[in-house]
Amino acid sequence: NAGVMQNPRHLVRRRGQEARLRCSPMKGHSHVYWYRQLPEEGLKFMVYLQKENIIDESGMPKERFSAEFPKEGPSILRIQQVVRGDSAAYFCASSKLEGEQFFGPGTRLTVL
Amino acid sequence: GENVEQHPSTLSVQEGDSAVIKCTYSDSASNYFPWYKQELGKGPQLIIDIRSNVGEKKDQRIAVTLNKTAKHFSLHITETQPEDSAVYFCAASISASYGKLTFGQGTILTVHP
Repeated sequence: NAGVMQNPRHLVRRRGQEARLRCSPMKGHSHVYWYRQLPEEGLKFMVYLQKENIIDESGMPKERFSAEFPKEGPSILRIQQVVRGDSAAYFCASSKLEGEQFFGPGTRLTVL
Repeated sequence: GENVEQHPSTLSVQEGDSAVIKCTYSDSASNYFPWYKQELGKGPQLIIDIRSNVGEKKDQRIAVTLNKTAKHFSLHITETQPEDSAVYFCAASISASYGKLTFGQGTILTVHP
């Protein structure tokens, strides 16, 4: 049973470009969460999604960031017009309705 | 919103010793407290969790205690081994079924052989 999958594992973008991060939840999981981890810091909640619904986006920056979890396919975290401050590790987690969150290996975004 | 404070930020112990990491939280509505272990270059892995209707939970060499009155919870690792070396994060949530976890800042645990 494959775990949470994220790709790409490493992503390099220049300032002003777009970054797309993908997350495939574990089989049978319908809840997806995105967290951001800055160097030497804890994880910060960004957004919580169920299929085709955003449940809680209280941690998402108001501009340039968006997330979706379509009926088919992976969840996507999209960052438009990236800036150096967006450089971080982005982790996706998935869960069933009741239960622990399983984390993926993360995508490390570097903005040049 | 919830705020979780974690101490110490670094912890160094000798193999076989015990290690204790402590966290405090601010929101009295929180009632789910997981602990995660993160190894270099990997995502966090759940090692143990506790719900507010329980004061203590143990799994082999790992135990967690919760004091809801004081709003703090602790991770205890006994008989530490070098492979326990990692970053440990505590977290809090209002419910295990509602996903927003608020994490502490992390503790870098080093176990010396």
